[in-house]
Amino acid sequence: GIQVEQSPPDLILQEGANSTLRCNFSDSVNNLQWFHQNPWGQLINLFYIPSGTKQNGRLSATTVATERYSLLYISSSQTTDSGVYFCAVVPGNTGKLIFGQGTTLQVKP
Amino acid sequence: GAVVSQHPSRVICKSGTSVKIECRSLDFQATTMFWYRQFPKQSLMLMATSNEGSKATYEQGVEKDKFLINHASLTLSTLTVTSAHPEDSSFYICSALAGQVLRETQYFGPGTRLLVL
Repeated sequence: GIQVEQSPPDLILQEGANSTLRCNFSDSVNNLQWFHQNPWGQLINLFYIPSGTKQNGRLSATTVATERYSLLYISSSQTTDSGVYFCAVVPGNTGKLIFGQGTTLQVKP
Repeated sequence: GAVVSQHPSRVICKSGTSVKIECRSLDFQATTMFWYRQFPKQSLMLMATSNEGSKATYEQGVEKDKFLINHASLTLSTLTVTSAHPEDSSFYICSALAGQVLRETQYFGPGTRLLVL
C-alpha cells in the first residue's frame, strides 16, 4: 500500500519562528489533506490540497503531485500552534484517508 | 458548516461490557462515514468504512464481530465495541465524507476516549 512519511517527527520552536513540515507519499494520490490535532484530540482541517498552493493566514501549503510531496508552512508561530500535524492522502477513488505518522510541534513562549 | 459530533466524548467501562459510540453529521448528509482508532502518540488507523444502508467494510485485521458498525441514516453511524477488554482502550474518531460540493473533504468528529478497566 501507499506510504506516507512526514518529517521532522518532532519540532520545537520559539514563538515567532517560522517552520516547514514535509509530507512525502509513495504513489499518486487524488486528494491530500493537512490536519492539526489539538491537545484534546480534535482534528482540525487545515488544507485540502491535492495540488498547487493555498494560503490561510499564517499557514500555507504547497503540493507538487508529480514529485509526490507536500509542504506545510507555519509563519510567526504561536503557542496555540502546538500539537500534532498530520498529512493524509487518498489513493485512488476509495475516499480512504491514509495518515502519515505526524509531526509533533511545540511552540515555546 | 460541515460539523461532525460524537457521543460520548469519554467512557469508562468494565471489562466484558459493550459500548456504543455515535457519530453524527450535523449540517450535511454523509453517504460515507469512516471510523478510526488512535493509540497514544500514534497516528490514526482506519478501522472501517460505513456506507448508509449497507454493510460496513472493515480493514484487514479489524474484527467485524468485535466492532459492530451501523449506518442507519445519512447523518448517523454507530460503532459498538462488544465485550470490551482493556486492550480495546483507545481514542476512537469518526469522519464523514460530504456529498456534492464538499465530497472530497473528510470532516472529523471530536473523538471518544474509551477506557476499559
